[in-house]
Amino acid sequence: DAGVIQSPRHEVTEMGQEVTLRCKPISGHNSLFWYRQTMMRGLELLIYFNNNVPIDDSGMPEDRFSAKMPNASFSTLKIQPSEPRDSAVYFCASSSRDRSTGELFFGEGSRLTVL
Amino acid sequence: AQSVTQLGSHVSVSEGALVLLRCNYSSSVPPYLFWYVQYPNQGLQLLLKYTSAATLVKGINGFEAEFKKSETSFHLTKPSAHMSDAAEYFCAVSDYTDKLIFGTGTRLQVFP
Repeated sequence: DAGVIQSPRHEVTEMGQEVTLRCKPISGHNSLFWYRQTMMRGLELLIYFNNNVPIDDSGMPEDRFSAKMPNASFSTLKIQPSEPRDSAVYFCASSSRDRSTGELFFGEGSRLTVL
Repeated sequence: AQSVTQLGSHVSVSEGALVLLRCNYSSSVPPYLFWYVQYPNQGLQLLLKYTSAATLVKGINGFEAEFKKSETSFHLTKPSAHMSDAAEYFCAVSDYTDKLIFGTGTRLQVFP
């Protein structure tokens, strides 16, 4: 079975450019999460969706960040304009609503470098 | 609000030695607790989870963790470390919602 698929794996861009990160969750999973990982702040939950609806976006750092989930098999995280402090690894994860498992399945991450 | 604290950002052990990674949690409700492992340049994967059944939980690769309510702890152990255990380990808590709140991680080094 395919896991969570993220693209691109690596992105290098210049300050001020728009960045779009993409995620395809595991088929049948109805919750999707975007996390950011940095050395300084560790793993931060940015936003999560349930059944394609954003449930909690309190972790989104600024208005420069936006996330969408137009359907059950695709989500995007956009940063516009990007800044050097946005450099991090961005992880997408998905899970099923079944609370008896409570397991998140992570993609391999998108490493973003903003120069 | 739920939170976890991992004591020690780095732990070093010799191959064959006991591994002990510490995690304390704070939760207003009986928590679900998790340990995840992250190998270099990879995403996180689940090692084990506690969901209010047995307090001693066994996971993959010989790891186990014990839920101790009186100590609000969920420490991860492995009797004998292997070189392949070198990775970063994250404790996490949820409160029956979909959200997982992660600790800051502990990097485990294993020396031959």
